[in-house]
Amino acid sequence: TQLLEQSPQFLSIQEGENLTVYCNSSSVFSSLQWYRQEPGEGPVLLVTVVTGGEVKKLKRLTFQFGDARKDSSLHITAAQPGDTGLYLCAALLIQGAQKLVFGQGTRLTINP
Amino acid sequence: GAVVSQHPSWVICKSGTSVKIECRSLDFQATTMFWYRQFPKQSLMLMATSNEGSKATYEQGVEKDKFLINHASLTLSTLTVTSAHPEDSSFYICSPKNRGLNTEAFFGQGTRLTVV
Repeated sequence: TQLLEQSPQFLSIQEGENLTVYCNSSSVFSSLQWYRQEPGEGPVLLVTVVTGGEVKKLKRLTFQFGDARKDSSLHITAAQPGDTGLYLCAALLIQGAQKLVFGQGTRLTINP
Repeated sequence: GAVVSQHPSWVICKSGTSVKIECRSLDFQATTMFWYRQFPKQSLMLMATSNEGSKATYEQGVEKDKFLINHASLTLSTLTVTSAHPEDSSFYICSPKNRGLNTEAFFGQGTRLTVV
């Protein structure tokens, strides 16, 4: 079973459109992170959300942490071809040994 | 951000041989090292977690005798894929971490392993 359910897993849209990616879980997390990964490289951290209901903006990207700290969303406004990539949500588990687990990822393609 | 060096970035090996992947944290002490595997078009799957000076903890389904992890120092961890088979072909990524909760995770550049 997947601890973090990410949807959609694949998304292909036209330049200029808006989109939202979701990351859901039945577990409560102290924080949740969003990463972006380019082919052949390691993930790069975009944002960490910590407080329930928190909204963070990074240029055209808006990240929200659910009030119950079980889910998060990433909204991209006016998508551009440069936004193409694999977007991953991740949560740090602190039950016993700490470990960072990832959602399935959303492969986003923005067509010019 | 922290500097993590993973080497090699890609390797091709023959079936039955072993391959060693190195991960170095260049500017902080990695008390914990996470090793991930990523198959094409999929997410990162945690393989094992190692703490400096102790044995690694492997995730369910990951063979500890096949994926040997050494974390003898606070700046270097290695993953050795022993007796590699084509199904081991994947993208392997390390992620060193120092102590403390909610600290940012850093990742190596990844190693593309192809077993022929």
